[in-house]
Amino acid sequence: QVQLVESGGGVVQPGGSLRLSCAASGFTFSTYGMHWVRQAPGKGLEWVTFIRYDGINIYYADSVKGRFTISRDNSKNTLYLQMNSLRAEDTAVYYCAKGISTDWYDGSFDYWGQGTLVTVSS
Amino acid sequence: EIVMAQSPATLSVSPGERATLSCRASQSVSSNLAWYQQKPGQAPRLLIYGASTRATGIPARFSGSGSGTEFTLTISSLQSEDFAVYYCQQYNNWPPLTFGGGTKVEIK
Repeated sequence: QVQLVESGGGVVQPGGSLRLSCAASGFTFSTYGMHWVRQAPGKGLEWVTFIRYDGINIYYADSVKGRFTISRDNSKNTLYLQMNSLRAEDTAVYYCAKGISTDWYDGSFDYWGQGTLVTVSS
Repeated sequence: EIVMAQSPATLSVSPGERATLSCRASQSVSSNLAWYQQKPGQAPRLLIYGASTRATGIPARFSGSGSGTEFTLTISSLQSEDFAVYYCQQYNNWPPLTFGGGTKVEIK
């Protein structure tokens, strides 16, 4: 069965950096686009970034552009999110999510990880 | 950016009753609309995609309808496990992918 397991969250000071990982299993990772979606405490869902199955197309929300970098290692079935210049407003649970189909532009998500909490605070 | 608006923010329903949730897009998203359910402390779960196609394993009491800018999620007979927050999401024109603010379905 499909599993997505995030790791790497924690407490970081404003301006600091953190790298999240998402280990995927149960499907052919190299053929699906992957996303990061976040949820601030008590708030709704916010899409953060996407990477195509081959890493060629990458998109970011304006709120993280220039600070966050998504990447993937298809040989390790792992998705990453490098977060730099973190701000208090980046505090959220970060979910990795699998694109529903091999049509990479289909932007719905059929599986989500359990999430990892990132807290930006001094 | 396409803005998604959900109504109502909170819906109070008795078990066994029907629940109707609405989602409106600021411009047409064709049928590229998904619905997710989220329970406290859990990740969201895909219910509906393509505006009306149930995801794998989703009970038939969940149905989606609409196209263009107006969409509806109907839960025909609420079960105890259906009390949760529901989000709509458009994927017609992105980036960015955008979600509605959510509708909380609570026990009346």
